[in-house]
Amino acid sequence: GENVEQHPSTLSVQEGDSAVIKCTYSDSASNYFPWYKQELGKGPQLIIDIRSNVGEKKDQRIAVTLNKTAKHFSLHITETQPEDSAVYFCAARRNTPLVFGKGTRLSVIA
Amino acid sequence: GAGVSQSPRYKVAKRGQDVALRCDPISGHVSLFWYQQALGQGPEFLTYFQNEAQLDKSGLPSDRFFAERPEGSVSTLKIQRTQQEDSAVYLCASSAIVFESGRHTIYFGEGSWLTVV
Repeated sequence: GENVEQHPSTLSVQEGDSAVIKCTYSDSASNYFPWYKQELGKGPQLIIDIRSNVGEKKDQRIAVTLNKTAKHFSLHITETQPEDSAVYFCAARRNTPLVFGKGTRLSVIA
Repeated sequence: GAGVSQSPRYKVAKRGQDVALRCDPISGHVSLFWYQQALGQGPEFLTYFQNEAQLDKSGLPSDRFFAERPEGSVSTLKIQRTQQEDSAVYLCASSAIVFESGRHTIYFGEGSWLTVV
């Protein structure tokens, strides 16, 4: 089955700097890669997703890139703000329910 | 409703007690998922429903776990004879269309936090 590895497990950045979180997946047939943000005591919230026919997608300060050959995808957050502090999860799937990474705890220091 | 609703939000159970966790998906959503999230970990798949049919229960950790969605809307996850290792957040998620279509945006509820003492 699919296996998703996520790095780093924790990340601290200064407010205004960029943050990058990376994930690798094992199933070359996976075709959908969402990113979720989870704040303390809440459920995961979808922030951006990318499908296998696209290499990059951007939504304001958030962007995701996908390298199918290398089987990795990354989340980029620019101009970070304190409210970006949360745990971020990547996930991947083909014709199966989502498989999640273990998460990255992002801290944005004001 | 506006989002996926789960109840109870918090449950403390004594070891050996049975618990039932309820999920109200977004109205009209066909697909419903249950995930288990241990502290500091990512969500792990438990089971999947398409309408009332349970199509995948490969993630249920033991036969003490049982899920149903009899009318294709509300779902209940039941855990019998709870044990300490069952302590986790149980997340319900739903999607408007069948996930096999490849267009699979799913929305999560806030979760039910289960502590077994």
